[in-house]
Amino acid sequence: NAGVTQTPKFRILKIGQSMTLQCAQDMNHNYMYWYRQDPGMGLKLIYYSVGAGITDKGEVPNGYNVSRSTTEDFPLRLELAAPSQTSVYFCASSYPNQPQHFGDGTRLSIL
Amino acid sequence: QQPVQSPQAVILREGEDAVINCSSSKALYSVHWYRQKHGEAPVFLMILLKGGEQKGHEKISASFNEKKQQSSLYLTASQLSYSGTYFCGTEKTLPGGSEKLVFGKGTKLTVNP
Repeated sequence: NAGVTQTPKFRILKIGQSMTLQCAQDMNHNYMYWYRQDPGMGLKLIYYSVGAGITDKGEVPNGYNVSRSTTEDFPLRLELAAPSQTSVYFCASSYPNQPQHFGDGTRLSIL
Repeated sequence: QQPVQSPQAVILREGEDAVINCSSSKALYSVHWYRQKHGEAPVFLMILLKGGEQKGHEKISASFNEKKQQSSLYLTASQLSYSGTYFCGTEKTLPGGSEKLVFGKGTKLTVNP
């Protein structure tokens, strides 16, 4: 049972480039989430989804986009990467009122 | 809206006890506790629901005081493996029934031999 799988694990981007962070879960969870974690800080919610076809903004959505075409996948798109988006990105999934299961994270640097 | 955790950091010797607090200015429905080791993903510890009992996980337990809008995490007879950053997350229910967690900034716990 793989749980939550994130790819890539590391990436370096140049300012202005775009990329998609992949997230897949095999637990049939309704809810999926994207967080960013800056050094020494807590988790901030970027976007979340309560099911296929339904997404909504979290606390820090600017500069990001998401889609949820299937229950399993929840990709995060960065358009026009900026240095402020250097962070560790975590994807998580859960049932309502149940523990969130986190992926191993994607470490993204924008130079 | 973001829950406030205290203390920000604590250093213990193996075998000592610690308490980590999480408080909110809003009424709480549930509180989630996670532990994150350096360079790793957060790992679930426990959920406390409104009206629920105190939960326990080995030598780690937690309480939830709805009136005071706060939760406390108790670590007894700490072990080296308890080192990490502890986060509480409080649940916000949105129109339509969907929910999201808002996490505190974390409490860094270091257990020394």
